[in-house]
Amino acid sequence: EAAVTQSPRNKVAVTGGKVTLSCNQTNNHNNMYWYRQDTGHGLRLIHYSYGAGSTEKGDIPDGYKASRPSQENFSLILELATPSQTSVYFCASGDTLGQDTQYFGPGTRLLVL
Amino acid sequence: QQKVQQSPESLSVPEGGMASFNCTSSDRNFQYFWWYRQHSGEGPKALMSIFSDGDKKEGRFTAHLNKASLHVSLHIRDSQPSDSALYFCAASFANTRKLIFGLGTTLQVQP
Repeated sequence: EAAVTQSPRNKVAVTGGKVTLSCNQTNNHNNMYWYRQDTGHGLRLIHYSYGAGSTEKGDIPDGYKASRPSQENFSLILELATPSQTSVYFCASGDTLGQDTQYFGPGTRLLVL
Repeated sequence: QQKVQQSPESLSVPEGGMASFNCTSSDRNFQYFWWYRQHSGEGPKALMSIFSDGDKKEGRFTAHLNKASLHVSLHIRDSQPSDSALYFCAASFANTRKLIFGLGTTLQVQP
């Protein structure tokens, strides 16, 4: 099974600070995704990537940037964190256009004070 | 409006019982469907995919898809306490790698 790891697992940040969430996958999947999960909203797609050097906006990209420096790594960046970005963030990887079973990491719990 | 709607919001079944989940999509262009399960404190994990009309069975799990009625369901027979989790339906279009998730159904299996 696909292995996706995330760091840190828990993070407390201050409003206006910069936060970087990291994701690593070891299965050579082309596609990687960042989601946030909130009660009442389910899983929502923030950014995704088709491969190294590419990033695409998902459904809720405002306030977030993404970086895919290599096949294995995909980062989510909050340049100016706000309390509304307090959430649980999941990274996922997958492959194959149209039949993309996604494999999720364990999540990062972010609290912005 | 949520494009993928799930029901019920929560479900409680006795150990050994049948758990049934429903999912209705509002977009006829969805082509592929998945069921994911998320245990507390963990990331979601894919349970089953179903892309064609009809039933698909994997062990204790059976998925059913009816594209004409935009309905997909999941049934778990012989439910176990370890099946207690949040269950998501997800759908995608033919030419995209993006998944649209429902809000989930919480299952509690009572020992």
